[in-house]
Amino acid sequence: EADIYQTPRYLVIGTGKKITLECSQTMGHDKMYWYQQDPGMELHLIHYSYGVNSTEKGDLSSESTVSRIRTEHFPLTLESARPSHTSQYLCASSTNHWGGRFTDTQYFGPGTRLTVL
Amino acid sequence: GENVEQHPSTLSVQEGDSAVIKCTYSDSASNYFPWYKQELGKGPQLIIDIRSNVGEKKDQRIAVTLNKTAKHFSLHITETQPEDSAVYFCAASFKGGSNYKLTFGKGTLLTVNP
Repeated sequence: EADIYQTPRYLVIGTGKKITLECSQTMGHDKMYWYQQDPGMELHLIHYSYGVNSTEKGDLSSESTVSRIRTEHFPLTLESARPSHTSQYLCASSTNHWGGRFTDTQYFGPGTRLTVL
Repeated sequence: GENVEQHPSTLSVQEGDSAVIKCTYSDSASNYFPWYKQELGKGPQLIIDIRSNVGEKKDQRIAVTLNKTAKHFSLHITETQPEDSAVYFCAASFKGGSNYKLTFGKGTLLTVNP
């Protein structure tokens, strides 16, 4: 079981509210990711970070923003939530070196299911 | 960039039968191929992975094969059980700049009927 946590697990909120989805990992991984998962199952990368103070936009355009001030923490923020933001949000982390050997394995958190009314 | 195609999108089998999910990738530089299982209400969990210097890897009822020439890899589950029912994702890793990037297939919903 990976040591990566997401809160809240479920969130129902009204249009126009500002929200922050939390993601934390205790594995010391330098890389972290946010994926949006639609009902059709597909995983869409929306943000990633290769280290502190480094953030990049992913393959799918998103109105959300992220920050990486601490290695273990990678929060995602929506300034003004809309119904189109309703989705499952998954956080993941990885490191290229683990125990002296190369690895690309990404470890996922349990996800946050966001519903915007 | 990398493109990963996954088939089928849905698969239904009887308990005890085998299930096979196939993926193809486009970037010949890809060298790491993990498979994830996602159960309802949970995040994807790594179940098996293979690197490009290996053709096959097995872990109990799960096996993965890799054909680098044809650029395809497959997940094989034998003696399927109802608890194998889940969404399965394949992925391929390639080097983009100084870092490695993982590209996922679109997923396969596996249903094992008791």
